[in-house]
Amino acid sequence: TQLLEQSPQFLSIQEGENLTVYCNSSSVFSSLQWYRQEPGEGPVLLVTVVTGGEVKKLKRLTFQFGDARKDSSLHITAAQPGDTGLYLCAPRYSNYQLIWGAGTKLIIKP
Amino acid sequence: EAQVTQNPRYLITVTGKKLTVTCSQNMNHEYMSWYRQDPGLGLRQIYYSMNVEVTDKGDVPEGYKVSRKEKRNFPLILESPSPNQTSLYFCASRERGLGNSPLHFGNGTRLTVT
Repeated sequence: TQLLEQSPQFLSIQEGENLTVYCNSSSVFSSLQWYRQEPGEGPVLLVTVVTGGEVKKLKRLTFQFGDARKDSSLHITAAQPGDTGLYLCAPRYSNYQLIWGAGTKLIIKP
Repeated sequence: EAQVTQNPRYLITVTGKKLTVTCSQNMNHEYMSWYRQDPGLGLRQIYYSMNVEVTDKGDVPEGYKVSRKEKRNFPLILESPSPNQTSLYFCASRERGLGNSPLHFGNGTRLTVT
């Protein structure tokens, strides 16, 4: 059984601050996706990382896949109120199904 | 517009009264899936379908049924709903079951069973 943990569970910060959220597992991922879910909507894909050590940038969001492919992080620079939402990591292990973390609920205060 | 459409958005029902939540996608995707989302537990997969007439149990299939008679539709059926099935439900589709193509989600169905 794969154990998947996202941290922190909840984060509330002021606009303009930087933050990092984490996704950690006891097992090796074959790939990992990050999604953002806004209230009243379904999750939307932000990025897919496949290679250990890979770094991808999406405007102010930087995604990193751990070298050992057992963890990932999402760093947001100069957070804005529009970044508010639930951030979900979804790794894929040896089979093709995604496993979902419980998410980090992020609130950016103006 | 490419989308996954779920209906209804909100549903309040009583224990034991059969209900169906519909899901339809217009992207010709092979793979479709149902999830429930509960606070602190994340998304848990109920059933999935790799293609027409092929369905498989996810992590929490008890109390649910699905069918995939057509590629675009994947209804979720609760034959005898119980209060522990009160949850937020999402339908999702992907181009294929294998690979890393994005999952496209509907906007959810909030179900309350009293």
